This record gives sequence, C-alpha cells and structure tokens, in this order.
Amino acid sequence: GQNIDQPTEMTATEGAIVQINCTYQTSGFNGLFWYQQHAGEAPTFLSYNVLDGLEEKGRFSSFLSRSKGYSYLLLKELQMKDSASYLCAASGDSGGGADGLTFGKGTHLIIQP
Amino acid sequence: EPEVTQTPSHQVTQMGQEVILRCVPISNHLYFYWYRQILGQKVEFLVSFYNNEISEKSEIFDDQFSVERPDGSNFTLKIRSTKLEDSAMYFCASSEFPRLAGGEQYFGPGTRLTVT
Repeated sequence: GQNIDQPTEMTATEGAIVQINCTYQTSGFNGLFWYQQHAGEAPTFLSYNVLDGLEEKGRFSSFLSRSKGYSYLLLKELQMKDSASYLCAASGDSGGGADGLTFGKGTHLIIQP
Repeated sequence: EPEVTQTPSHQVTQMGQEVILRCVPISNHLYFYWYRQILGQKVEFLVSFYNNEISEKSEIFDDQFSVERPDGSNFTLKIRSTKLEDSAMYFCASSEFPRLAGGEQYFGPGTRLTVT
C-alpha cells in the first residue's frame, strides 16, 4: 500500500519563498510527482523526481530523498496566483507501467500580500 | 496546446441510474486514466487503460464501474447503478509515456457528478 503525508495548509507572503514537505511510504516506489490544483479545476503537472536530488524548473524546484521517503516543493518569488492546493503524488510499481498515481490530501497554500 | 477534454461538465442523476462520462484524451497519447475527487477530499485513482485493456484498477473500481474506448478518440467511464456516494468530480487523464518512464499525466477539466 501507499501512504502520503503533507501539511493541510500553509500561509506565505507575496515575494517570499515557501517549502511544502511530503513524506511517503510506498511499495515499489518509482517516482514522486507534484501537481498544482486551483479550486474547482483539474490538477496540473509541476514536477517529477525519480532520482535523489533537486530538480529546478523556473520558480519551482522539487527535491527527493528516496532513502528518507521525503520530498519537498520549493516555490520562490511567490505570486498571488500561486494560491492553490499542491498535491504530492507517488507512484508504486505494480508492473503494468500504465499505473495510476496515489495522491496526498494536498497542501492548501495561501499567499498574503 | 493539446488538451484533454471531458463532457459533460456537470451531470445530475438519480440514484440507481446509469451514467456515462466521456473523455477525449490528447491524440498521440496511449495511456488513459480515470480519477475521482469527492468534494474537499484527495484525488483518488480509479483505473488505468492501455492497449484496449485495463492495466490497473483500485478498490474503488468495483463491478459497478466499467471503461471503454469505443473508437479512436473517446474514452468513457460508465457507472451502472449510481449511489449517493458516487457524487464527486471525475477527472480523465492521459499520458504519452508510461508512468515508469516518468510520463506526465495531463488532466481534463473534470465532470462534476451529482447523484440525488
């Protein structure tokens, strides 16, 4: 089975940096995804980590430590439009390849002026 | 930019009725998925589909659910006899590559199903 934990809610200030943590326990772990979801909308892909280390993509970076079962999403130069839920999702290997993702409950990020 | 589309955007049905939710995945994608999200809860995986057959399904995807790719463009989710607890947002997703290759899943806008 798979279990994913992330904080329910975080608040940050426009222009600042925020780090959203995610811990996971999964059998046959094979990658960690981060998605952004605005209220009432579909999740949109932000990042994918399969190896340990930091992946940087513009204002967003994602880090993975497989040995610790830990990931974080780092958002820099926060903008008001970054107010959304950030979903941590892990994939486990059931051998099929076309497998679904297991999502955490999401972290609701509130950006204040 | 290509996108996944879903119809209808909102479906209201009575308990016990059958519903079919429709999705058009991105045209060159080969892997298809259905997820659901009950209001205020997390996104939950239902089923994945590749090469005209189910690859994986979750415990939620019981005998009341079925999927089909009736032609080269559509991908449907059928719920045979809806229950109140089936009320949720249903997301279709597709990817060009399998998850094992880091295939990014693109989500459609969702169909909000309300069972009364």
